[in-house]
Amino acid sequence: KAGVTQTPRYLIKTRGQQVTLSCSPISGHRSVSWYQQTPGQGLQFLFEYFSETQRNKGNFPGRFSGRQFSNSRSEMNVSTLELGDSALYLCASSVTETQYFGPGTRLLVL
Amino acid sequence: EDKVVQSPLSLVVHEGDTVTLNCSYEVTNFRSLLWYKQEKKAPTFLFMLTSSGIEKKSGRLSSILDKKELSSILNITATQTGDSAIYLCAVERIQGAQKLVFGQGTRLTINP
Repeated sequence: KAGVTQTPRYLIKTRGQQVTLSCSPISGHRSVSWYQQTPGQGLQFLFEYFSETQRNKGNFPGRFSGRQFSNSRSEMNVSTLELGDSALYLCASSVTETQYFGPGTRLLVL
Repeated sequence: EDKVVQSPLSLVVHEGDTVTLNCSYEVTNFRSLLWYKQEKKAPTFLFMLTSSGIEKKSGRLSSILDKKELSSILNITATQTGDSAIYLCAVERIQGAQKLVFGQGTRLTINP
């Protein structure tokens, strides 16, 4: 089975721009979660989608949003980028409790 | 506020040594505790612990959960340079906004 895939792998943006990241879960996995990882804060939960519905949401501002499609693929959008949004964004899919992570998208905001 | 604390934050040992990594938590609606290994890319799953006192083992790695002490340890015996990574501890909640609460990780470096 193919693993979780994320695109793009690397991205450079400037402040004020917006960005959309994509995640394709493992086939058959309906739950997709997004995390932000920074050296200072570690891994922080953004949100979780299940069957196209946002099931849980972390403590991030409204600039961070997401959605899930009928094929379980998920996208995450960040609007009005700030320097502090520079991070590794990880997506994880699961069918039971175990989450399998994708390789991440490394976002650099200049 | 829910939190997961790992110690030490950084550890450097020689190949062949045995290491013990610690994870303590204060999380409401506890479901399970998970350990991940993160090298350069995505975290890879190591163990999931739900019952106190039962050791999970995989090769040179083992882990045990102590629900009374709200903590877990990850042991690695006969360490190898390939064990160098960040080890993440996470607690899964039964309900709540945040499904997984992660610790900051322990950066383990194995010197030859």
